[in-house]
Amino acid sequence: EAGVAQSPRYKIIEKRQSVAFWCNPISGHATLYWYQQILGQGPKLLIQFQNNGVVDDSQLPKDRFSAERLKGVDSTLKIQPAKLEDSAVYLCASSWDRNIQYFGAGTRLSVL
Amino acid sequence: GESVGLHLPTLSVQEGDNSIINCAYSNSASDYFIWYKQESGKGPQFIIDIRSNMDKRQGQRVTVLLNKTVKHLSLQIAATQPGDSAVYFCAETTNQGAQKLVFGQGTRLTINP
Repeated sequence: EAGVAQSPRYKIIEKRQSVAFWCNPISGHATLYWYQQILGQGPKLLIQFQNNGVVDDSQLPKDRFSAERLKGVDSTLKIQPAKLEDSAVYLCASSWDRNIQYFGAGTRLSVL
Repeated sequence: GESVGLHLPTLSVQEGDNSIINCAYSNSASDYFIWYKQESGKGPQFIIDIRSNMDKRQGQRVTVLLNKTVKHLSLQIAATQPGDSAVYFCAETTNQGAQKLVFGQGTRLTINP
């Protein structure tokens, strides 16, 4: 079974620029999650989708972050404009039963 | 509570010894717990889970113990191998609402040859 796919693996941008991350979950997984993991910390949930609907986006900085999952499969997370403190690894996860979440390798973002 | 802190607790053990990694969770309403292993440059990998109606669960070389009275979770790894070197996170959630998974701080496990 193929795992969660994310791209790109690395991204370096300057502050105030925009960036987008892509995620393809495990086939058949209805629930998709985006996490932010700052160096030395555990992942923090940004947004959770159930099919193409948002279940929880309470910790998403909506003034600069947006995410969509239009057809209930792939998802994109966008940051516009980026700040220095957005430097982190952005992890995508998916689950079938909303319990065990399977993670992708993440995108490491550096904002200069 | 949310994961906080910049400095990961560390644990160093000799290859072949048993490791015990501890985690204190914060939400007394949490009823489902998961241990994840994260190797450098990779995403967290599921190891084992336990529900609040259990106090012990065993997997292959791993055992999770849950003490709800003191809100404590532990992961025991038997006969540790070099491949066990990683950061280990506990995570908690409830079966209510969106089932938001809250990760602990993490512990870096180093295996000495």
